[in-house]
Amino acid sequence: AQSVTQLGSHVSVSEGALVLLRCNYSSSVPPYLFWYVQYPNQGLQLLLKYTSAATLVKGINGFEAEFKKSETSFHLTKPSAHMSDAAEYFCAVSEPEKLTFGTGTRLTIIP
Amino acid sequence: DAGITQSPRHKVTETGTPVTLRCHQTENHRYMYWYRQDPGHGLRLIHYSYGVKDTDKGEVSDGYSVSRSKTEDFLLTLESATSSQTSVYFCAIRSTGPSYTFGSGTRLTVV
Repeated sequence: AQSVTQLGSHVSVSEGALVLLRCNYSSSVPPYLFWYVQYPNQGLQLLLKYTSAATLVKGINGFEAEFKKSETSFHLTKPSAHMSDAAEYFCAVSEPEKLTFGTGTRLTIIP
Repeated sequence: DAGITQSPRHKVTETGTPVTLRCHQTENHRYMYWYRQDPGHGLRLIHYSYGVKDTDKGEVSDGYSVSRSKTEDFLLTLESATSSQTSVYFCAIRSTGPSYTFGSGTRLTVV
C-alpha cells in the first residue's frame, strides 16, 4: 500500500531563509506525487505535482520539488521564505485510484 | 476552477442523529472522494466512488456510508453521529493528469 511520511510536523524559518519541507513516500508502482498548501480556515491548493515528465518540478509561489527515486523522496523547497508562506503543507501520493496524504507540516515564518 | 461545491459549509448536530453531507460537481468526472481532516492526521480517505453506484471504502470508513445515484452528486452519511466524527470534511474530484481538486470543506461539530 502506498504511504507518505512528512518529517517534522512543525518547521520554523526566518523570513528570507531557505524553506525545506521533507516528504518520503512508499509506492509499489511509479508514483504521482503532489504538494498541497492550506492557509488557515481554507481548502487545499495545489502547489505542484510530479507525473514523471521531469524530476525537478516547479510550482506556484516560487516553490519547487525534486523527485529522487533512489531516496523515495519528494522534498519541497523555496529559496527565500516570505511571511505569506505561513501555512500547512501536505505531501500526497497517488496510485491509480486514490490519493494518500502525509500528516502535514505547519510552516511558521519568523520576522 | 473545477466546479465542486460542498454543502453545508458548517453544521452542528447532536450525538446520535443522522447527518448527510453533499458534494456536487459540474464537470462529469468519474472519480469522487470524501476525506476527513484532523490535527496530526492530515487528510484521511473515508470513501470514494468510481462511477454511479460504484463506491469503495477508504482507511477510515467505519460509521460512514456513501451514495452516488447521479454522476454529479456524492453524498456522505453519518448514520448516528458521534463526537469522534467532529472534523472537517473535504470532497474531491479526480480529473485527467491526474489532478485532484478539493471542495471548500464542511466543518461538522457533534455535541
